[in-house]
Amino acid sequence: IVLTQSPATLSLSPGERATLSCRASQSISNFLAWYQQKPGQAPRLLIYEISNRAAGVPDRFGGSGSGTDFTLTIDSLEPEDFAVYYCQQRERWSPKYTFGQGTKLEIK
Amino acid sequence: QMQLHESGAGLVGPSQTLSLTCTVSGDSISSSAYYWGWIRQLPGRGLEWIGYAYRTGDTFYNPSLRSRVSISGDTSKNQFSLRLSSVTAADTAVYYCAVKRGVMAAFDYWGPGTLVTVSS
Repeated sequence: IVLTQSPATLSLSPGERATLSCRASQSISNFLAWYQQKPGQAPRLLIYEISNRAAGVPDRFGGSGSGTDFTLTIDSLEPEDFAVYYCQQRERWSPKYTFGQGTKLEIK
Repeated sequence: QMQLHESGAGLVGPSQTLSLTCTVSGDSISSSAYYWGWIRQLPGRGLEWIGYAYRTGDTFYNPSLRSRVSISGDTSKNQFSLRLSSVTAADTAVYYCAVKRGVMAAFDYWGPGTLVTVSS
């Protein structure tokens, strides 16, 4: 299963709303997660099982979607939200994981 | 709060075996709660799942790497390791150790990562 993220780069200002897309090449279960990565750091889990926030993640981060189309929404961007975001899926019937190529969220 | 840290050789020769160790603190890898494994980030961003293991010795590998990968744990030291054989320049990457909890299909805890370069 291939995950395609769009856009590759998203330029927004603090306070705006960000909408990031992740499309799967075939329908997947609810095993869809989102990560945030800042330069020089490991990815940080934000969302698991499509819409569940990981511990300590602010509620301005939200996940939604089903089937092949999934969305990460960030309400009212804070300066610390500008980073690269990855989606990741686990196949329904086997423990095989793949990641999208990432969306870079940059300050406009 | 679980913390992870990778260690190992940063430079490996072509056709040699890459070996990394992840030291865990804050909780035990022998807990039934955790699967522990490795993910790498290839130059230019792409993240690739390598595999993970469970305390029972069960292992789960990326099919594209299965013939070259081995992940094992040492519960007495609270460490787990990665071995990747017959490496080429295409294996140059930042390697992360990572842990997922139980049935979750996502990785909660990550080490800071270590760069491994394959070069003669």
